Amino acid sequence: EADIYQTPRYLVIGTGKKITLECSQTMGHDKMYWYQQDPGMELHLIHYSYGVNSTEKGDLSSESTVSRIRTEHFPLTLESARPSHTSQYLCASSESYEQYFGPGTRLTVT
Amino acid sequence: AQSVTQLGSHVSVSEGALVLLRCNYSSSVPPYLFWYVQYPNQGLQLLLKYTSAATLVKGINGFEAEFKKSETSFHLTKPSAHMRDAAEYFCAVESGRTYKYIFGTGTRLKVLA
Repeated sequence: EADIYQTPRYLVIGTGKKITLECSQTMGHDKMYWYQQDPGMELHLIHYSYGVNSTEKGDLSSESTVSRIRTEHFPLTLESARPSHTSQYLCASSESYEQYFGPGTRLTVT
Repeated sequence: AQSVTQLGSHVSVSEGALVLLRCNYSSSVPPYLFWYVQYPNQGLQLLLKYTSAATLVKGINGFEAEFKKSETSFHLTKPSAHMRDAAEYFCAVESGRTYKYIFGTGTRLKVLA
C-alpha cells in the first residue's frame, strides 16, 4: 500500500496570493495525479504525470501548474489565487491501474 | 469514450440491512473498474477493483461487487450495513489503458440506527 502525503491539510488564503500545495509519495510510483473535488461532485482530473519531467493537463481546465522534478514529489502551484479556486485538491499515485490517494488539501480563497 | 453513472446520490439503509450501490459504465474497451470510499475530510480509499479476472470481486470491510458485462454494471453490495459504513462511495472506470480514471458523481450512504 502506498504512503502519500499532502500538506497543508487546510489552507485559508487571500485573493492574489501565490500558493503551492505539496504532494509526496514514498512508494516510487511513476504515475501521479491531481484531482479537484467540489462538495457533492465527482473528482475531476486537473493534472497528471507519468514520470520525472513529464506533466500533462487533465480533463478539467485549471489555472494551476505542476512540476515533476523528483519521482516522489508532485507539487501544484497557483500563481494568483482567486475565490473560484476554493475547493478540495486530492493527490494520487499509482504503479499500475490502482490509484492511491492522499488525504487532500481543502483550500479556501477569501 | 468511457463514462460512469451512479444511480442515487443518496442512499439510506437501516443498520443490518443490505447495502446496494449502483454503478453503470460505458467503455470502448474491456473496462477496469474500481470502487472507492471517502470518509469526511479524508482522501479516497480503494474498496475493490475489477481488472478482467473473476467477475465477483471481494473487497475490504465486507464489500463485494459483481461485473456484469451484459448489463454494463458493477454494483457494490454488502450483506449487512454497519454504522461505520456511512460515507461517500465513488465508482470509477479506467479510461482505455491510459492509467486515467473517470469517476462517477458519488453516492452518499447513510446508515440508520
